[in-house]
Amino acid sequence: GENVEQHPSTLSVQEGDSAVIKCTYSDSASNYFPWYKQELGKGPQLIIDIRSNVGEKKDQRIAVTLNKTAKHFSLHITETQPEDSAVYFCAAVSSGSARQLTFGSGTQLTVLP
Amino acid sequence: NAGVTQTPKFQVLKTGQSMTLQCAQDMNHEYMSWYRQDPGMGLRLIHYSVGAGITDQGEVPNGYNVSRSTTEDFPLRLLSAAPSQTSVYFCASKRLGDGTDTQYFGPGTRLTVL
Repeated sequence: GENVEQHPSTLSVQEGDSAVIKCTYSDSASNYFPWYKQELGKGPQLIIDIRSNVGEKKDQRIAVTLNKTAKHFSLHITETQPEDSAVYFCAAVSSGSARQLTFGSGTQLTVLP
Repeated sequence: NAGVTQTPKFQVLKTGQSMTLQCAQDMNHEYMSWYRQDPGMGLRLIHYSVGAGITDQGEVPNGYNVSRSTTEDFPLRLLSAAPSQTSVYFCASKRLGDGTDTQYFGPGTRLTVL
């Protein structure tokens, strides 16, 4: 099955700096890669996603890049703000009719004022 | 729409007790799933369903049962709770066949087994 590895497990940045979180996946058949943000005491919420037919996608201060050859994808947050502090999860969707999500282990991002 | 709702928010059980975690969605999604979240391990799939009357096992199904009698509800049953089942449980749902793959998560149930 699919295996997703995520790094780093914790990340602290100064407000206004950029943050980068990286993930690798094992199944070359995976073709959908969402990123979720989880605030304290809440469920994960989708913030951005990318499909395997695109190399990069951007939504305001958030961008995701995908390298299919190397099987890795990254989340980039620019001009970080205190409200960006949360746990971020990457995931990959496997092939098959139900298209299951396999999650990375998560990154605790702290934006220091 | 309320989205995905879960009850209870918190629960403490003694070893050997049974309970049911409730999950409901009002988006008419075919797919529903249960995950558990443990520190440093992300979210792991317990069971899932692609429609009423259809369920299947995920990565960590042992100790849990599910059923899907309606499109809206997908309860998770612990028949004999164990301390290893102490975790935060999330229910999620998504529409199948529209190419979006977007899963919507509930707020979670924090379970402690003593």
